[in-house]
Formats: sequence, structure tokens, C-alpha cells
Amino acid sequence: DTGVSQDPRHKITKRGQNVTFRCDPISEHNRLYWYRQTLGQGPEFLTYFQNEAQLEKSRLLSDRFSAERPKGSFSTLEIQRTEQGDSAMYLCASSNLGEPQHFGDGTRLSIL
Amino acid sequence: SQKIEQNSEALNIQEGKTATLTCNYTNYSPAYLQWYRQDPGRGPVFLLLIRENEKEKRKERLKVTFDTTLKQSLFHITASQPADSATYLCALLMNTGFQKLVFGTGTRLLVSP
Repeated sequence: DTGVSQDPRHKITKRGQNVTFRCDPISEHNRLYWYRQTLGQGPEFLTYFQNEAQLEKSRLLSDRFSAERPKGSFSTLEIQRTEQGDSAMYLCASSNLGEPQHFGDGTRLSIL
Repeated sequence: SQKIEQNSEALNIQEGKTATLTCNYTNYSPAYLQWYRQDPGRGPVFLLLIRENEKEKRKERLKVTFDTTLKQSLFHITASQPADSATYLCALLMNTGFQKLVFGTGTRLLVSP
């Protein structure tokens, strides 16, 4: 068990560009979550997958954001036309029902 | 909506003392309350979970209490060590069917040798 893996660890991009992050959950977990964390704040929920189905999305997830989990394993989070306010740490977590969520070390996004 | 309050000021204590961190929440009671540790540049690491029908949970030097009347959880680290220095996050697991975690802002703990 290698834990939750996220790639890349850091991403620097210009405003207006598209970015995509990847999350590889713990293999036996069927639930996958994305959170966003800004400096001095706790993580905020973005979206949730059970297997390949996206079952919940936060109002924080504007139409520029899209997440997929095509085969119920890894997930991607894409941000289109990035804005300054998108700068944050994007965290992925996985779990099974009734178990604590285990987090990856996140992707830190910086918008120039 | 659920609001969670943790002391935003850093807690400074001497090595060997007990650190006590507070988590207060408003509105309805969560199904679970969890505590996570987060180091700079890293993701949160799960420490302890306590259910709404439990009063206290222990794990090694860690103890969590849960008072649903006061809407408060206390997190204790006994015999604290400099390696315990980190930010500690309180998170409520809402009974929404898909286990959404709502986090507090965290409290930074600094343990001096």
C-alpha cells in the first residue's frame, strides 16, 4: 500500500491556461474525494466519486472545473481558463464506507 | 451551514507538557468527528475518529473527547515532543450519505524543547 498519490506536486501556469491534476487512490478504496485548501484554511470539499460515478459536487466547483474517474481507479481534475483565485493546494483523498479518508500530499497550483 | 471553530492562534507549549486543542461547532451534530495532523506542504494525516455516541477515544499519547451537548471536541497530546509540532485539523463527517468532511481552519501547535 503506497497511499494516495498525486501528480504533479507543484504546477505553475499563466492565467488563462488549462491544467490537469491526477490522483491515484489507495487501490482497494472505492470512494474518492477532491478538496481545495488555501493558506491558513482547512480543506474545502469539491467533489466525490463512488467508483466511477460522480455523486456530489460543491458549489465551489464552477463550470471551469471538471473531474473524472473513468474506470473507478485514478481520477483527474481539470481547471480550464485558470484565474488568480484558483491558486491553492488541491488535495485528493480516498476511503471505503465508514472508514477515515486518507489524503495525498496534494498539488500546489500557482497562477502567474 | 455547519461552522467549525478552532483557535487560529498558535499554541506554544514546553516539551513534556500536555497540549489541549479545542474544536467547537454549530448547528446539528455530525455522525463522526475526526482529527488530522498536517505538516507544511503535506496532506492531512488521519489521527483519531470519535463517533457521536462516544465520549472519549485514546490512541497512545493522544486523547479525544466529544461533548455533543456543548458541541465541542477536545484533543489532547500528553508528554508532548518537538516532533508533535504541526497544524491539527478538526473535521466533522456529515451524515449526508457520502461522508463529506467539513474542516476547521486548524490550530498550529509548537512544542519547544
